Amino acid sequence: IAGITQAPTSQILAAGRRMTLRCTQDMRHNAMYWYRQDLGLGLRLIHYSNTAGTTGKGEVPDGYSVSRANTDDFPLTLASAVPSQTSVYFCASSEGQAPGELFFGEGSRLTVL
Amino acid sequence: GQNIDQPTEMTATEGAIVQINCTYQTSGFNGLFWYQQHAGEAPTFLSYNVLDGLEEKGRFSSFLSRSKGYSYLLLKELQMKDSASYLCANMDSNYQLIWGAGTKLIIKP
Repeated sequence: IAGITQAPTSQILAAGRRMTLRCTQDMRHNAMYWYRQDLGLGLRLIHYSNTAGTTGKGEVPDGYSVSRANTDDFPLTLASAVPSQTSVYFCASSEGQAPGELFFGEGSRLTVL
Repeated sequence: GQNIDQPTEMTATEGAIVQINCTYQTSGFNGLFWYQQHAGEAPTFLSYNVLDGLEEKGRFSSFLSRSKGYSYLLLKELQMKDSASYLCANMDSNYQLIWGAGTKLIIKP
């Protein structure tokens, strides 16, 4: 089934550890995004990539990094996790560089202790 | 600053009609989106408005007034499966989506 795959689905992590959330899409979409979703808040953009080889910072980029080596993959790395990074992380993609209809992965629930 | 406001929670009865409002104040405007998110799942696209007026799509309709910074999502003939959160998002002048916190809709039999 075409779409976006995220891994892991859920993870408990000790503070200070490094963690990479994986995201792969098979729709050949140009743009990809990482959001975090916290209770009572709207989705907040962490990083985005308009096309392979380029990345940009969103609203809440601190503590996170991304890479876009090819069209399909857009991993999100937490270099040294902190408890405030406990959240549900969604990867999304859109066909064009302006975010029209977004297609979301199923989310990765991360708990940092 | 940029702000999207929508009610936190609404309750409606199966078979009825419900209107979920969204007001926005953002730097620029390039369209207003509505997404549905069932508990524990990913958001899914419902509608996109860039011009004033009503867009109808089956049981769901979305309205936009750019001069008032206002949109609503209208759900008709409510079904139990419509119980979900409904997210309003505005695309600003930088083509970034600014999201509301979502409206949790509870459908009662």
